[in-house]
Amino acid sequence: IAGITQAPTSQILAAGRRMTLRCTQDMRHNAMYWYRQDLGLGLRLIHYSNTAGTTGKGEVPDGYSVSRANTDDFPLTLASAVPSQTSVYFCASRGLAPQETQYFGPGTRLLVL
Amino acid sequence: GDSVTQMEGPVTLSEEAFLTINCTYTATGYPSLFWYVQYPGEGLQLLLKATKADDKGSNKGFEATYRKETTSFHLEKGSVQVSDSAVYFCALLKGNAGAQKLVFGQGTRLTINP
Repeated sequence: IAGITQAPTSQILAAGRRMTLRCTQDMRHNAMYWYRQDLGLGLRLIHYSNTAGTTGKGEVPDGYSVSRANTDDFPLTLASAVPSQTSVYFCASRGLAPQETQYFGPGTRLLVL
Repeated sequence: GDSVTQMEGPVTLSEEAFLTINCTYTATGYPSLFWYVQYPGEGLQLLLKATKADDKGSNKGFEATYRKETTSFHLEKGSVQVSDSAVYFCALLKGNAGAQKLVFGQGTRLTINP
C-alpha cells in the first residue's frame, strides 16, 4: 500500500504559469485536504473535499482551485502562479469515522520566480 | 475561531535531556488534540492523540495529557535522542463528523545534539 503520493516532488515555476500539483491516495478515504507549509506559520488549509464530487475552501484558498472527480485523486491547480505561492504543499486524506487519523503525503516543494 | 499556539522554537537540547514543548488551544467544545512530527524532508506523521479531557496520548516515549482546565496539551519526553530531531506540530480537530478539519500550531523545531 503506497498511502498518499504527490507529484512532482519539487518544481521551479515562472510567475504567471499554470501548474497542477497531483495527489493520489489508495486508502479509499473520503476526505482529502491540501495544505501549504510556510516557515513560522505552520500548515494552513487551502482547500478540502469531504467526499468525491464536493470541495470546500479552507483558510487560504485565493489563487488555487481543486477538483474531486473520484475518490482517489485530488489535484490542486495554480491558474497563474505568483512568488507568494512559493511554499511546500502537502496533500492529506482521512476516513470518515469520527476522530480518525489524517495521513499526509511527502509534499511538493514549489518555487515561483 | 479555533486556534492552537505552540511554544516558539527552535529548541536545542543535549541527548538524554528532558523535553517539554508547550501547546495551548482555543476552541468551542472539546476537540480532539494531536501531536504530529515532521522529520527532515518528509511529510507529517501522527505522533500521538487524545480525544477527551484527562486522556493521555503516548508513543515512542513521548506523552501528552489533555488538560481541559488549562486548555493545554503539552508534549513531554523524559530522555530525548538525536533521532528525535524534527519539527513538532500541535493540532486540534474541529467540525462535525464527515466535515472535520485539523487546525495546526506554527510548529516547533527541535534539535538534539549528541
